[in-house]
Amino acid sequence: AQKVTQAQTEISVVEKEDVTLDCVYETRDTTYYLFWYKQPPSGELVFLIRRNSFDEQNEISGRYSWNFQKSTSSFNFTITASQVVDSAVYFCALRGHSSSNTGKLIFGQGTTLQVKP
Amino acid sequence: NAGVTQTPKFQVLKTGQSMTLQCAQDMNHEYMSWYRQDPGMGLRLIHYSVGAGITDQGEVPNGYNVSRSTTEDFPLRLLSAAPSQTSVYFCASSPMTGRTEAFFGQGTRLTVV
Repeated sequence: AQKVTQAQTEISVVEKEDVTLDCVYETRDTTYYLFWYKQPPSGELVFLIRRNSFDEQNEISGRYSWNFQKSTSSFNFTITASQVVDSAVYFCALRGHSSSNTGKLIFGQGTTLQVKP
Repeated sequence: NAGVTQTPKFQVLKTGQSMTLQCAQDMNHEYMSWYRQDPGMGLRLIHYSVGAGITDQGEVPNGYNVSRSTTEDFPLRLLSAAPSQTSVYFCASSPMTGRTEAFFGQGTRLTVV
């Protein structure tokens, strides 16, 4: 069975601090896809980033960066110089590519990030 | 482009009542799913479909039924609502290529009293 674990339930930082959100996943599929979503207080789910299992190149996009490590089954997300508008719930998600997992997008429990001014 | 449309946005039911949450997408996506979101539990997969006429159970299917007669629509039925089904429900769709992100509806806040 596939599983996504976000061990950090809540994180509170002061504006301009850097913050890393952890995500650990489990799957037996050799090909799989990982995603991060953001859910602001308004409630909608906003897609942030996706990674394929065969693409371990990490990326920086503005204040956001991602660290994908297959060896530790982790897909961590970092916000540099956090802002109050970053306050939201962040979800990590996994979709396997095998016939038994096709179509199933599994989410972690979510991490609530509060950025204080 | 409407994307994924869920109706209603809010609903209050009495225990034992039945209702259907509607979900429609206009992107011709093969995959559609229903999730429920509860505090501290993240989004849990209820049922999903990989195409018209094909549905399967997710992590928490009990108490819910689905059908997929067309590519566009994927309704979720509560046959006899229970207070434990009080939650926020999200519908999602995505194309068959697994690498593409899922698109979500705005959510339905359901309260069962």
